[in-house]
Amino acid sequence: EPEVTQTPSHQVTQMGQEVILRCVPISNHLYFYWYRQILGQKVEFLVSFYNNEISEKSEIFDDQFSVERPDGSNFTLKIRSTKLEDSAMYFCASTEVGAMNTEAFFGQGTRLTVV
Amino acid sequence: RKEVEQDPGPFNVPEGATVAFNCTYSNSASQSFFWYRQDCRKEPKLLMSVYSSGNEDGRFTAQLNRASQYISLLIRDSKLSDSATYLCVVSGRDTGFQKLVFGTGTRLLVSP
Repeated sequence: EPEVTQTPSHQVTQMGQEVILRCVPISNHLYFYWYRQILGQKVEFLVSFYNNEISEKSEIFDDQFSVERPDGSNFTLKIRSTKLEDSAMYFCASTEVGAMNTEAFFGQGTRLTVV
Repeated sequence: RKEVEQDPGPFNVPEGATVAFNCTYSNSASQSFFWYRQDCRKEPKLLMSVYSSGNEDGRFTAQLNRASQYISLLIRDSKLSDSATYLCVVSGRDTGFQKLVFGTGTRLLVSP
């Protein structure tokens, strides 16, 4: 069964450092997403990406965050200068079409710990 | 008001029990509705989509009441493996066409 893969599974970084979280969406999917889940809280939308550009982003996705699809397979989330409150599980997801009426497939997540 | 509200639980039920979860959403323009399941520290996985006419998948039945902006999930004959957090999720215009909005989830614990 096709799946979304994310690396690394766990990343520990010092406050102020840059991190890049990597994702390989399902190959025939067209829409890509990043969500995050702070421990004990709900899953929150960060950004959606389609046709090599951001289609929607949340208030959380400020100038510290950026996304990129550097090649035909990878989809990355960069946090430029991490803060303690960025500690969370970050999930990448992809859908064949937009988020309406379609299953979103999530990767296993990257647990980011900022110390 | 939260966009998607759920009772966090936990719901503790014995094997074989029937359990129901409810969810309300605030945006009347929401158009797609789902139940996802999340195991501890794992990714959300789609359990079922929810349609206006209601739908069933084995032991699981989902209902949607657009007038009341209310979604439900019924699990019959609970199994130990049903223990998880059940996430109510909506999508659609105004909530953001290309994003899913999650509730906080309802935790279910099924005991022997």
